[in-house]
Amino acid sequence: EAGVAQSPRYKIIEKRQSVAFWCNPISGHATLYWYQQILGQGPKLLIQFQNNGVVDDSQLPKDRFSAERLKGVDSTLKIQPAKLEDSAVYLCASSSARDRRIFNYGYTFGSGTRLTVV
Amino acid sequence: DAKTTQPPSMDCAEGRAANLPCNHSTISGNEYVYWYRQIHSQGPQYIIHGLKNNETNEMASLIITEDRKSSTLILPHATLRDTAVYYCIVRVGGGSQGNLIFGKGTKLSVKP
Repeated sequence: EAGVAQSPRYKIIEKRQSVAFWCNPISGHATLYWYQQILGQGPKLLIQFQNNGVVDDSQLPKDRFSAERLKGVDSTLKIQPAKLEDSAVYLCASSSARDRRIFNYGYTFGSGTRLTVV
Repeated sequence: DAKTTQPPSMDCAEGRAANLPCNHSTISGNEYVYWYRQIHSQGPQYIIHGLKNNETNEMASLIITEDRKSSTLILPHATLRDTAVYYCIVRVGGGSQGNLIFGKGTKLSVKP
């Protein structure tokens, strides 16, 4: 079974520039999450999708961050404009409630995109 | 905020058992205990989870106290590849409730 795919793997941009990250979840997983992980900290949830609808975006800085999952499959997270404090690893994860065994295993994470803002 | 407390770091000798503690004194009756680990430059990886009974799989064992206020993850024969940050998380098990909320975890260093 293919895992959660993310791209790019690394990105370096200057502050005030824009950047976008892409995630393709495991096939059939209805729920998709974006997490931000700052160096030395645990991942922090930014947004959760159920199919193409937003379930929780309470931690998403909506003045600069946006995310979409138009067809309920892959997803894009955008930052515009970027700030120095946005330097972090952005992790995508997916899960499925239809297969209880898989759901109880929690989420499957991708390897993340490491963003450096200079 | 994370509902668990873990020591920031631990060392373990290669080949010995690694016992990682976690306190979750405010856990609710319908919340599961999950353990994930994150090896450098990778996303978190599921290890094991449990509700109230002890659990064992090919990776680890999970021991949950009778009052469910704490648990211990046991790696029976630690190898160098088990060096990682280990996260203990409590989460409601069903539906779209209870997202995974990570704390800072325990950085386990397995030494030769």
